[in-house]
Amino acid sequence: AQSVTQLGSHVSVSEGALVLLRCNYSSSVPPYLFWYVQYPNQGLQLLLKYTTGATLVKGINGFEAEFKKSETSFHLTKPSAHMSDAAEYFCAVGDRMNTGNQFYFGTGTSLTVIP
Amino acid sequence: NAGVTQTPKFQVLKTGQSMTLQCAQDMNHEYMSWYRQDPGMGLRLIHYSVGAGITDQGEVPNGYNVSRSTTEDFPLRLLSAAPSQTSVYFCASSYTRTAYYGYTFGSGTRLTVV
Repeated sequence: AQSVTQLGSHVSVSEGALVLLRCNYSSSVPPYLFWYVQYPNQGLQLLLKYTTGATLVKGINGFEAEFKKSETSFHLTKPSAHMSDAAEYFCAVGDRMNTGNQFYFGTGTSLTVIP
Repeated sequence: NAGVTQTPKFQVLKTGQSMTLQCAQDMNHEYMSWYRQDPGMGLRLIHYSVGAGITDQGEVPNGYNVSRSTTEDFPLRLLSAAPSQTSVYFCASSYTRTAYYGYTFGSGTRLTVV
């Protein structure tokens, strides 16, 4: 089975500062990679995904992530944090081998934005 | 499109009671699944379905049953509620059984068992 590690369960940044949320996966075959955002009392929304091609992918709300195969990483970044970015962020990997259980989620990173 | 609809949004049960959490999608998605979300543990897969009539267990299936009689609906049944089942439950669906398209999530059901 795949595993997903999100370093830092809580991250705090100042408004306007760089946001960096880390995600590493373990898989011998590069999986599909996803970042989801969860605002309080809501479901998860897809921020961005990597399936193939360009390793730097752009998502909604100014977020982007880079797939680095050599580091088995898919870190999420945003150049300038906004108060509205405060939320829980989940990294997920999808199994390319088409097994029954498709997705494996990290345990989440809670982002706090300090005014 | 409504997407993935979960009902109810909130529920309080007494220990030993049974209930069904409803999930419906109108996107003709093949794959549907149920997760529970607990603080510090992320999302854990309970059951999933790769198509009508086909279901399988996930990571934490004990105490839960599912069925998939139609493409649209994937109800989750709690057989005899226990306080350990207090959680937020999410239903999610995907266009195909492969992970390529990602998931669409419902807004969740917050369940408290007393």
